[in-house]
Amino acid sequence: TQLLEQSPQFLSIQEGENLTVYCNSSSVFSSLQWYRQEPGEGPVLLVTVVTGGEVKKLKRLTFQFGDARKDSSLHITAAQPGDTGLYLCAVDSGTYKYIFGTGTRLKVLA
Amino acid sequence: DTEVTQTPKHLVMGMTNKKSLKCEQHMGHRAMYWYKQKAKKPPELMFVYSYEKLSINESVPSRFSPECPNSSLLNLHLHALQPEDSALYLCASSHPLWGTASYNEQFFGPGTRLTVL
Repeated sequence: TQLLEQSPQFLSIQEGENLTVYCNSSSVFSSLQWYRQEPGEGPVLLVTVVTGGEVKKLKRLTFQFGDARKDSSLHITAAQPGDTGLYLCAVDSGTYKYIFGTGTRLKVLA
Repeated sequence: DTEVTQTPKHLVMGMTNKKSLKCEQHMGHRAMYWYKQKAKKPPELMFVYSYEKLSINESVPSRFSPECPNSSLLNLHLHALQPEDSALYLCASSHPLWGTASYNEQFFGPGTRLTVL
């Protein structure tokens, strides 16, 4: 069974701080997605990374895919209260079966 | 348009009721999914439809019955549910892997919050 371990599980920080969330596995993936989910809402796709070593930026969010395509990180610069939510990484294990990471719950305090 | 819509937003039902959840997308996606999500947990896959045919059933109890009337619509029929079935039910869609996409990128609806009394 493929597992996607995310760390940390919970993070509570002050507005303006930087943070990094990690998504790790022992398996190699052809692509990896990052989602953000707010309470009571569906996950919103933030980015897909495909190439080993790839770096993608989305405003204050920077996503990196590991060189070996086994892990990924999400870095947020100058976090804002609007960044609060559950961050999920996800991969397709084959034939439509999405595997979600264990999740990182982020709270940014004003 | 990357929108997946779901109705209703909230649903409260008794254990003897029959109700249906609805999902719609107009992105031309030919793969559609139902997920169940409990509080503070990642979504769990329930069903996958590919080209309107059921391709994956993750050993879901028969009190949940999916239906895909056409390529844009996905229903989940509920009957004789249990209180432990209370959860957020999410619909998602994506291009099929052998279609226009080389990887699986799923777009989710806002979910239906289901409470079973």
